[in-house]
Amino acid sequence: DAGVTQSPTHLIKTRGQQVTLRCSPKSGHDTVSWYQQALGQGPQFIFQYYEEEERQRGNFPDRFSGHQFPNYSSELNVNALLLGDSALYLCASSSGWQETQYFGPGTRLLVL
Amino acid sequence: ILNVEQSPQSLHVQEGDSTNFTCSFPSSNFYALHWYRWETAKSPEALFVMTLNGDEKKKGRISATLNTKEGYSYLYIKGSQPEDSATYLCASDSGNTPLVFGKGTRLSVIA
Repeated sequence: DAGVTQSPTHLIKTRGQQVTLRCSPKSGHDTVSWYQQALGQGPQFIFQYYEEEERQRGNFPDRFSGHQFPNYSSELNVNALLLGDSALYLCASSSGWQETQYFGPGTRLLVL
Repeated sequence: ILNVEQSPQSLHVQEGDSTNFTCSFPSSNFYALHWYRWETAKSPEALFVMTLNGDEKKKGRISATLNTKEGYSYLYIKGSQPEDSATYLCASDSGNTPLVFGKGTRLSVIA
């Protein structure tokens, strides 16, 4: 059983560009959460998707948006990239919004 | 305490030593406390989910305790091994709000 997978593993973009990160949840999981981990910080919650709807959102600007597909996979989109968006982006899945979250290995984004 | 705080930030121990570190979290609106182990270049791995005051959980040489009234949890590693080297994250769970993570404790076990 494959766990949570994310793609790509690394990405380099320039300021102002847009980026899409992808996540496939663990088999049987229907809820996907996205986190941003900046250097020296703990993971910060971006948003959570359940049944293709954004269920909760953290304190991130509208430049951060997402989507969940009928197969429960998810995308995180960031528009108008800033240098400060450079971070590790983690995806986590669970079998319900109050259940233990299982994390992917993350996508490391560098904005130049 | 408004945020989740972990101490120490980093720790170096010799192989065979026992060690422990702390997670402090808001005691109000408590639902659960999560511990994760995160090895370099891998995914964070769930270690424990703790919900009851006084709870103690164990997984091999690793154990954790929980005090919800004062808002802290301890993680203990007995007889540390090099493979225990990782960042240990805790996260506070209020039930209907997102997990709030600490910055982690980075453990290095020297052979």
